[in-house]
Amino acid sequence: AQSVTQPDIHITVSEGASLELRCNYSYGATPYLFWYVQSPGQGLQLLLKYFSGDTLVQGIKGFEAEFKRSQSSFNLRKPSVHWSDAAEYFCAVGAKAVSFQKLVFGTGTRLLVSP
Amino acid sequence: DVKVTQSSRYLVKRTGEKVFLECVQDMDHENMFWYRQDPGLGLRLIYFSYDVKMKEKGDIPEGYSVSREKKERFSLILESASTNQTSMYLCASSNVGGRTDTQYFGPGTRLTVL
Repeated sequence: AQSVTQPDIHITVSEGASLELRCNYSYGATPYLFWYVQSPGQGLQLLLKYFSGDTLVQGIKGFEAEFKRSQSSFNLRKPSVHWSDAAEYFCAVGAKAVSFQKLVFGTGTRLLVSP
Repeated sequence: DVKVTQSSRYLVKRTGEKVFLECVQDMDHENMFWYRQDPGLGLRLIYFSYDVKMKEKGDIPEGYSVSREKKERFSLILESASTNQTSMYLCASSNVGGRTDTQYFGPGTRLTVL
């Protein structure tokens, strides 16, 4: 069965500093991987996704993520954090081979941005 | 842009009431999903539907049912609401393709059961 681990519940980063949010997955085949962001009181917005090809994926709002098969990881990065990036971030893994699309989400990482 | 709307942002109900949460998508997507979101637990799948009148149980279907009479609309029903169903409920939709594709989410309904 698929599973996703986001080991950091909270992270605080100074505005302008770099950011890395960790995500590890467990899945027997090649996974589909996603990062979503949720601002307070809002639904989830897709930041980026990896299906195949280049393992470094660019997303919206200046985010990128790198798929590392050997480490079963899909960490999210941003070189310079803005105060508006404060939100909760969810990593998700999808099953590639099944007919119906199911995602398994991690428990989320809440990002706090300090001035 | 894909738009997924949910009928209420906030809802307060009493224990034992029957509760309907409505979700509508405007992109002709085949798949629709209901999740609940709780602190420290992330998103957990309650039910999903891959076609009109078709549904599959997710990971936590107990206490819930769903209805999909039209392609664009997916309803979550709490037959007899209980306090442990107080949560944020998120609806999502996606296109079919025989592979996992992007799910688009609505803004969520925060349900409180007293």
